[in-house]
Amino acid sequence: KNEVEQSPQNLTAQEGEFITINCSYSVGISALHWLQQHPGGGIVSLFMLSSGKKKHGRLIATINIQEKHSSLHITASHPRDSAVYICAVKGGGSNYKLTFGKGTLLTVNP
Amino acid sequence: NAGVTQTPKFRILKIGQSMTLQCAQDMNHNYMYWYRQDPGMGLKLIYYSVGAGITDKGEVPNGYNVSRSTTEDFPLRLELAAPSQTSVYFCASTLDGYEQYFGPGTRLTVT
Repeated sequence: KNEVEQSPQNLTAQEGEFITINCSYSVGISALHWLQQHPGGGIVSLFMLSSGKKKHGRLIATINIQEKHSSLHITASHPRDSAVYICAVKGGGSNYKLTFGKGTLLTVNP
Repeated sequence: NAGVTQTPKFRILKIGQSMTLQCAQDMNHNYMYWYRQDPGMGLKLIYYSVGAGITDKGEVPNGYNVSRSTTEDFPLRLELAAPSQTSVYFCASTLDGYEQYFGPGTRLTVT
């Protein structure tokens, strides 16, 4: 069973700061997802990665398959980025089941 | 497209009652999932389905049942509600594992 660890659990930043959230997993995977959950809200998919790096607006996600580690970066953070960020990994197989980390609660203050 | 829809949004049950959480998607996705989310814990997979007529257990299936008679619908049944089933339930679907689409969630309290 894959163990997914996220750090930090909680993160408070000032508007404009560069944010990094980390995710480590214990067993080889076929893909890694980053998800966003706003307070009281639903969950949306931000990225799926199997190698390298992806960028969408101010969000950047990287993955190092050898080190079993991924990072999510937010540049020029804004209060609307305040949310829980969740890392999830997909093992092999064709059922696309995910194993989730506990999430990182990000609060960006104005 | 409405995406993934869930009903109800909120529900309070008494211990021993039964209920069905509804989930539907209009994206023609074969893969559908039910998760529960408890405070401070990651999402846990309850049941999943890889297509109409095919379902399988996830990590935490006890106390739940599912059916998948159509591609669109994937209801989750709680037969004898227990306080341990107090949680937020999310339904999700995917076409090919690339992007996961989540419903808005159902907040269930069992007292």
